[in-house]
Amino acid sequence: SAVISQKPSRDICQRGTSLTIQCQVDSQVTMMFWYRQQPGQSLTLIATANQGSEATYESGFVIDKFPISRPNLTFSTLTVSNMSPEDSSIYLCSVGDSQPQHFGDGTRLSIL
Amino acid sequence: GQQLNQSPQSMFIQEGEDVSMNCTSSSIFNTWLWYKQDPGEGPVLLIALYKAGELTSNGRLTAQFGITRKDSFLNISASIPSDVGIYFCAGEISSGSARQLTFGSGTQLTVLP
Repeated sequence: SAVISQKPSRDICQRGTSLTIQCQVDSQVTMMFWYRQQPGQSLTLIATANQGSEATYESGFVIDKFPISRPNLTFSTLTVSNMSPEDSSIYLCSVGDSQPQHFGDGTRLSIL
Repeated sequence: GQQLNQSPQSMFIQEGEDVSMNCTSSSIFNTWLWYKQDPGEGPVLLIALYKAGELTSNGRLTAQFGITRKDSFLNISASIPSDVGIYFCAGEISSGSARQLTFGSGTQLTVLP
């Protein structure tokens, strides 16, 4: 299965700032996904990152708050914009074309 | 959207005991998946189930895809300390190129020596 690397692994940010999280895959994949895992909670899909077109966002998530880029088949970024303490979460990317989705180790984000 | 009810929320068991956890939904899924998440890591796939009624084993783990396609269970036999972690079920709906994965709320497993 593909190896997924996320950067940064963790960060502490000031409220009102933005942070861009990177997801790199060691092989080309069509489907990449971004999830949020709030403290002590399960995973919630934010959006599907589509190569060559806009991301598809789930209910409750908007492009202005979570802009996503997908410049090629091995890379995607998720930006958490204008952060507030409620954005403190683990953000995970996953990939899965014909295989079940598997995940990177996530980015642990704390907002002060 | 779809919701998965996963139970129990947490379990404390003695090493060597067997464990069972399950997920139910009001929606039908094409695929059921079971993941384990260790602290500081992303979820790791344990078992994937693709057909209603399917029973699949992976070492000490056994999982079944319910006949109605609305439920699944995971059993762990003869638990060991490294089984500690959070276990998530996930149901997938796939339609064409679209894939929707819904996660259960997780079962926190603690194995006591």
